[in-house]
Amino acid sequence: GDSVTQMEGPVTLSEEAFLTINCTYTATGYPSLFWYVQYPGEGLQLLLKATKADDKGSNKGFEATYRKETTSFHLEKGSVQVSDSAVYFCALSDPQTGANNLFFGTGTRLTVIP
Amino acid sequence: DVKVTQSSRYLVKRTGEKVFLECVQDMDHENMFWYRQDPGLGLRLIYFSYDVKMKEKGDIPEGYSVSREKKERFSLILESASTNQTSMYLCASKIYVAGGSGYTFGSGTRLTVV
Repeated sequence: GDSVTQMEGPVTLSEEAFLTINCTYTATGYPSLFWYVQYPGEGLQLLLKATKADDKGSNKGFEATYRKETTSFHLEKGSVQVSDSAVYFCALSDPQTGANNLFFGTGTRLTVIP
Repeated sequence: DVKVTQSSRYLVKRTGEKVFLECVQDMDHENMFWYRQDPGLGLRLIYFSYDVKMKEKGDIPEGYSVSREKKERFSLILESASTNQTSMYLCASKIYVAGGSGYTFGSGTRLTVV
């Protein structure tokens, strides 16, 4: 079945450090891939998405490239800020298994210290 | 701005109580979802609804039921709350968008069953 595996946290970085959060997936079809972010005390917000192989999603300085050959969608940011502290979830939506569901990874908590 | 509103941010209930978690969206979305979020497990789908009075079981429906009498409201019901249902509950609604990214999440209800 479909699944998402993402890097376990927590991750602690100093401000302006480079961030990578790894995400790999298993899917029966051709899924769309997402990164969601959850700031403290809030629900999930869509951070970025990619709908087909080699697409690059980007938002707020974050980027992720849909790599079909490695079934990966790693999240990167060149210089993190304290305000990026949050929990990040990788997710996929596979039309073959029903577009009415998202499959989530377990989440990675990022803490950025000044 | 689109909104999904969950009626309570924090709830404390006793074992055996019947618990109602309410979710309202103001976007005229057909699809609504209930997830629970637990550390190390990510988000798991409990139930979803694709229309008024229609519902489908998700991955972990045991111990839960749902009600969708009006398009804008989707209720999660714990018939007899148990301590293992202590969790964060997230509601979401969705309109179809190519690539499946049209989800909007509420801020969550943190339920503690004592």
